[in-house]
Amino acid sequence: DAGVTQSPTHLIKTRGQQVTLRCSPKSGHDTVSWYQQALGQGPQFIFQYYEEEERQRGNFPDRFSGHQFPNYSSELNVNALLLGDSALYLCASSLQETQYFGPGTRLLVL
Amino acid sequence: GENVEQHPSTLSVQEGDSAVIKCTYSDSASNYFPWYKQELGKRPQLIIDIRSNVGEKKDQRIAVTLNKTAKHFSLHITETQPEDSAVYFCAASMGGGSARQLTFGSGTQLTVLP
Repeated sequence: DAGVTQSPTHLIKTRGQQVTLRCSPKSGHDTVSWYQQALGQGPQFIFQYYEEEERQRGNFPDRFSGHQFPNYSSELNVNALLLGDSALYLCASSLQETQYFGPGTRLLVL
Repeated sequence: GENVEQHPSTLSVQEGDSAVIKCTYSDSASNYFPWYKQELGKRPQLIIDIRSNVGEKKDQRIAVTLNKTAKHFSLHITETQPEDSAVYFCAASMGGGSARQLTFGSGTQLTVLP
């Protein structure tokens, strides 16, 4: 049984560009949450998708958007990248309370 | 919104000693408290969790205690081993089922000295 997978593993972008990150949940899981982890800090909740809709959202600007597909996989899109968007982006999948994290995508904005 | 504070930020112990990490949360509606271990360059991995209807939970060398009145919960690791060295994060959430957003503490870098 494959765990949570994310792609790509690393990404380098320049300010103002747009980026799309992808997440495949653990088999049988229907909920995907996205977190941003800055260096040396705990993950911060961005938003959560369930039944192809955004169910909850953290304190992130509208530049951050997402999507969930019928197979429960999800995308995180960030527009107009800022230097401060450089971080590890983690997705987590769940069916009940426990959230299982993927390996993350490390984004560097230059 | 919820706020979680975690202490200490760094902790060094001798192999075989115990380690304790403490967290406080602000919202009394929080009812689920997981702990994650994150090794360098790896994903956070759940090591233990506790729900608000339980005061203590143990899994081999790891235990978690919860004091709802004080809004405080702690992770206890006994007989520490070098492989326990990692960053540990506490988290809190409210709601039910999968409809939860985790609010994390700032992490504790645990170093177990051989």
